[in-house]
Amino acid sequence: DVQLVESGGGLVQPGGSLRLSCAASGFTFSNYWMHWVRQVPGKGLVWVSRINSDGSSISYADSVKGRFTISRDNARNTLYLQMNSLRAEDTAVYYCARGFHCSGGSCYDTSFDYWGQGTLVTVSS
Amino acid sequence: DIVMTQSPDSLAVSLGERATINCKSSQSVLYSSNNKNYLAWYQQKPGHPPKLIIYWASTRESGVPDRFSGSGSGTDFTLTISSLQAEDVAVYYCQQYYSTPPLFGQGTKVEIK
Repeated sequence: DVQLVESGGGLVQPGGSLRLSCAASGFTFSNYWMHWVRQVPGKGLVWVSRINSDGSSISYADSVKGRFTISRDNARNTLYLQMNSLRAEDTAVYYCARGFHCSGGSCYDTSFDYWGQGTLVTVSS
Repeated sequence: DIVMTQSPDSLAVSLGERATINCKSSQSVLYSSNNKNYLAWYQQKPGHPPKLIIYWASTRESGVPDRFSGSGSGTDFTLTISSLQAEDVAVYYCQQYYSTPPLFGQGTKVEIK
């Protein structure tokens, strides 16, 4: 079964840093683009960042550009989000999600078909 | 950026009745080369991550009951629950994945009347 398991969330002071991880299993991780999406409890979904299958193409939301860094280790089947210069408004549940993929010479884009359970990041003094 | 706007923000429907949610994109999300609309719908229940229920505007994800259907093209889309069940109480989000950033609508909360 496909599984995405986030970790690394917690309480951090404003200006601090945190690194989130998303451990993937049950599928060929290296074939998939991956995303981070966040959600303030009780509010809507906000896309944060995405990385393509080999890490050569990356995009960020304007709100995190220059502060967050997405990366992946295909040998470890793990996605990361390094978050620096954290602000109170970064407080949210952070989800990793699976996206576009190519296999066997064909590509498929069916949006975000699997999501992890999320990890809560709280930025507060 | 392609902005997504859903309506209504919430609705209350009797069990067994139809629920309809609308989603409008600020630009077309129809990809002309394959004639597919890059529009998805997600269901999120309290305490759970979002679950993909519809992609390409009208294709049901595997395992999703057939009371859920999606329609529309270009900039105007609809999610319909033909006969609302108690387990369908959730917040529903539309999302465009035609271009980066793949933005979501603000969500529509569906409750039982």
